[in-house]
Amino acid sequence: DIQMTQFPSSLSASVGDRVTISCQASQGIAKNLNWYQQKPGKAPKPLIYDASTLETGVPSRFRGSGSGTDFTLTISSLQPEDFATYYCQQCEDLPYTFGRGTKLDIK
Amino acid sequence: QVQLQESGPGLVKPSQTLSLTCSVSGVSISNQLYFWNWIRQPAGKGLEWIGRIYPGGYTNYSSSFKSRVTISLDRTRNQFSLRLNSVTAADTALYYCVRKKARGYLDYWGQGALVTVSS
Repeated sequence: DIQMTQFPSSLSASVGDRVTISCQASQGIAKNLNWYQQKPGKAPKPLIYDASTLETGVPSRFRGSGSGTDFTLTISSLQPEDFATYYCQQCEDLPYTFGRGTKLDIK
Repeated sequence: QVQLQESGPGLVKPSQTLSLTCSVSGVSISNQLYFWNWIRQPAGKGLEWIGRIYPGGYTNYSSSFKSRVTISLDRTRNQFSLRLNSVTAADTALYYCVRKKARGYLDYWGQGALVTVSS
């Protein structure tokens, strides 16, 4: 199975901050990497697919980058609604695997 | 618009079978563009993929569940289902049914069904 290592596991930041979340795959996955946002009591919501393509309706302050084994999700200017848990997920090979999540909370 | 909705018992006894159904609206589960997945999330933990089914009925399962899991389709009702045998407390989780684009990502999620395994 492809292991997805996501870091940090938690992050405290303020509104307006720029934050970066990293995700590393145990083997090359090209650009087959997706990011999801999950708020308490809700299902995950897709943010970015194919490593860098924004899902329709996702604000442009979200940016994904990377290929191969190293990926990042950057939020350029945090808004109150961005405080949530973020997961990376690879779809290069079965089983689909997820990072353990990064919980982003308000400092 | 596409919607997925899980249903099934919220409480299952140890060693018994967990059964959940996902009712899909807004798209046919026979559409060749999509696969239909089950993913679970124990309370306070991360996401774990269980398996998927193709429109034609072919399935793939995670090896973590392979001997215990069955995913099936009911095209007449536009539903797909999960059965997980011989459950233990470790199977207590929120279970999501999820659509995935055949070449893409998990785009539509149900709201989740909480299943507790307890006597």
